Amino acid sequence: EADIYQTPRYLVIGTGKKITLECSQTMGHDKMYWYQQDPGMELHLIHYSYGVNSTEKGDLSSESTVSRIRTEHFPLTLESARPSHTSQYLCASRIDLKETQYFGPGTRLLVL
Amino acid sequence: DQQVKQNSPSLSVQEGRISILNCDYTNSMFDYFLWYKKYPAEGPTFLISISSIKDKNEDGRFTVFLNKSAKHLSLHIVPSQPGDSAVYFCAASEGNTPLVFGKGTRLSVIA
Repeated sequence: EADIYQTPRYLVIGTGKKITLECSQTMGHDKMYWYQQDPGMELHLIHYSYGVNSTEKGDLSSESTVSRIRTEHFPLTLESARPSHTSQYLCASRIDLKETQYFGPGTRLLVL
Repeated sequence: DQQVKQNSPSLSVQEGRISILNCDYTNSMFDYFLWYKKYPAEGPTFLISISSIKDKNEDGRFTVFLNKSAKHLSLHIVPSQPGDSAVYFCAASEGNTPLVFGKGTRLSVIA
């Protein structure tokens, strides 16, 4: 069973608010990822990190930012939420590139 | 342009029968493939993987087949159970790149 956690699980917030979605894993994985997924669509990679102080943007253009100050923690921040940010956000990690990638339970975000 | 395609958005199968979920890819450099299962409002759960050096991998009721020449892989579930009803995602990666996912296929297993 994967030890990867996301908080909050659900969030309803007004336009213009700053929010941080938390992701933590206790498996010591170097590689961590953030995906955005809408119903019926593929998972879109928005950010990833291969270790502390290393972050990269993914394929999907995103107005979010991430940080990786500790191995186990990979938070995602939206400086000013908009209705177009309404989606499910999934965090994942894996120990190596040819190993299983584990996902957290996700955060469902609704921006009004 | 989608590199991983799951062309069937949905599939219905009777309980006890075989479910076959298909996935096509365009990047011949992909060398690692995975299948995930996802329930609504939850994160994807890993099911099974296969390396490009193999053409088959089996784990209990789940078998993945890889046909590199056709750039095609499939997931077989035998026998199908109502609890298998979920969305199934195919994913692939090349070397040290992040996984690329398909759009998923919704499987409904009817009792």
